[in-house]
Amino acid sequence: GQQVMQIPQYQHVQEGEDFTTYCNSSTTLSNIQWYKQRPGGHPVFLIQLVKSGEVKKQKRLTFQFGEAKKNSSLHITATQTTDVGTYFCAGKYGGSNYKLTFGKGTLLTVNP
Amino acid sequence: GAGVSQSPSNKVTEKGKDVELRCDPISGHTALYWYRQSLGQGLEFLIYFQGNSAPDKSGLPSDRFSAERTGGSVSTLTIQRTQQEDSAVYLCASSLGRAGPGNEQFFGPGTRLTVL
Repeated sequence: GQQVMQIPQYQHVQEGEDFTTYCNSSTTLSNIQWYKQRPGGHPVFLIQLVKSGEVKKQKRLTFQFGEAKKNSSLHITATQTTDVGTYFCAGKYGGSNYKLTFGKGTLLTVNP
Repeated sequence: GAGVSQSPSNKVTEKGKDVELRCDPISGHTALYWYRQSLGQGLEFLIYFQGNSAPDKSGLPSDRFSAERTGGSVSTLTIQRTQQEDSAVYLCASSLGRAGPGNEQFFGPGTRLTVL
């Protein structure tokens, strides 16, 4: 079936270091969304990427969508303790429904 | 409402009992989703509603799980004859239900289900 693979599962960094999480699909995605879930909280939408090769930035966060629309990445520059949480990618495949297929997430911990 | 609400926030039940979990989506959102999240795990898709119909029920783990949505608004997830492996946080989300930008999912706070 359609699956979105996300790596790494865990990442521990020192405050100030960079962090990247990657998502990959075996089939072309219509678009991809990214969510952040703080410990004890619920997922919160960060961004949506739609176009092939699209790059979007939100302050220290950079999101990329691959040229083939099969992979995506989230890069955080100079991590802060407030970045702690689990980052999920969620891909939408073609079709008329609006279901998202979530990756298993990357748990980021930051050592101050 | 201002956001997606879910009730109860916590539910402790005994093995074999039935439970009902409720989700109240954002007003005007036609799409509604149920997910299950076990401790430290990712989001397991259960079912998706567009209006009152469920085009995709593929994630329901067994026939003990069912869900309905009435009036294009409130949804109820029912688990019959609960088992200990049903213990998890059940998350509901809603979205506008349209293609293109702006179709992000808004999540509720979840219901933590514990089956003893």
